[in-house]
Amino acid sequence: GQQLNQSPQSMFIQEGEDVSMNCTSSSIFNTWLWYKQEPGEGPVLLIALYKAGELTSNGRLTAQFGITRKDSFLNISASIPSDVGIYFCAGPYNTDKLIFGTGTRLQVFP
Amino acid sequence: DGGITQSPKYLFRKEGQNVTLSCEQNLNHDAMYWYRQDPGQGLRLIYYSQIVNDFQKGDIAEGYSVSREKKESFPLTVTSAQKNPTAFYLCASSHSGTGGVGYTFGSGTRLTVV
Repeated sequence: GQQLNQSPQSMFIQEGEDVSMNCTSSSIFNTWLWYKQEPGEGPVLLIALYKAGELTSNGRLTAQFGITRKDSFLNISASIPSDVGIYFCAGPYNTDKLIFGTGTRLQVFP
Repeated sequence: DGGITQSPKYLFRKEGQNVTLSCEQNLNHDAMYWYRQDPGQGLRLIYYSQIVNDFQKGDIAEGYSVSREKKESFPLTVTSAQKNPTAFYLCASSHSGTGGVGYTFGSGTRLTVV
C-alpha cells in the first residue's frame, strides 16, 4: 500500500534556528498537504500544494511540491516556541481520503 | 461558530467492554472520517462515510464499528474485539470532492484500557 515517510522523526532546536523536514512517497501525488498538530489537539492545515515544483509560503513557513511528485518539503524560518508540535505531510487518494506521513516532532528551546 | 466536536476528551475502558466515541459537526460537511493515532505511526484511517447511511472500512477497521444515521453525527464504537485499543482517536469531516483539502479535525479522544 501507499506510504508516506517523513524525516527527521524528531528535532530539538534552539529558538531562532531554521527547520527543514521532508516527506517521501512510493506513489505520485497530485496534491501535497502539510498539517501541524499541537499537543492534545487535532491537526490543522498549514499549506496546500497543487503543482509539481510549486513553492508556497504561509508566514515563516515555506513548502515545496517536489518535481517528481513523490516528495515534498517544509521549511520553518526563525523558529519560535509556539512552533512546537508534530508536523504531518498528507496526500489524497481515492477521491477524499487522506494518507498521512509518520510525522516530525519539533521541540524548540528558548 | 461551526466546528467539529469530539467527546469525551478522555475515556477509560476496562478490558472486554465496548465503548462509543462521539463525533458531531455543524459544518454541513458530507464526508466524515475516523483516524487512529499511535506514537511514531502517524494517522491511520479506521472508517469513513461520504453520505448518510453509508460508510466504508479504512485501513484498520477490525475491532471497530460505526454508524451514520444523521449527516451531523458519526459515532465510533471500539469493541472488545479490538486487541490494542489504547490510542488517540481523531474525527474529521469535509465536503465531498475536495480531494482531502477541506478536512477539519476535532480535538480528539484519548482512550485508555485499564
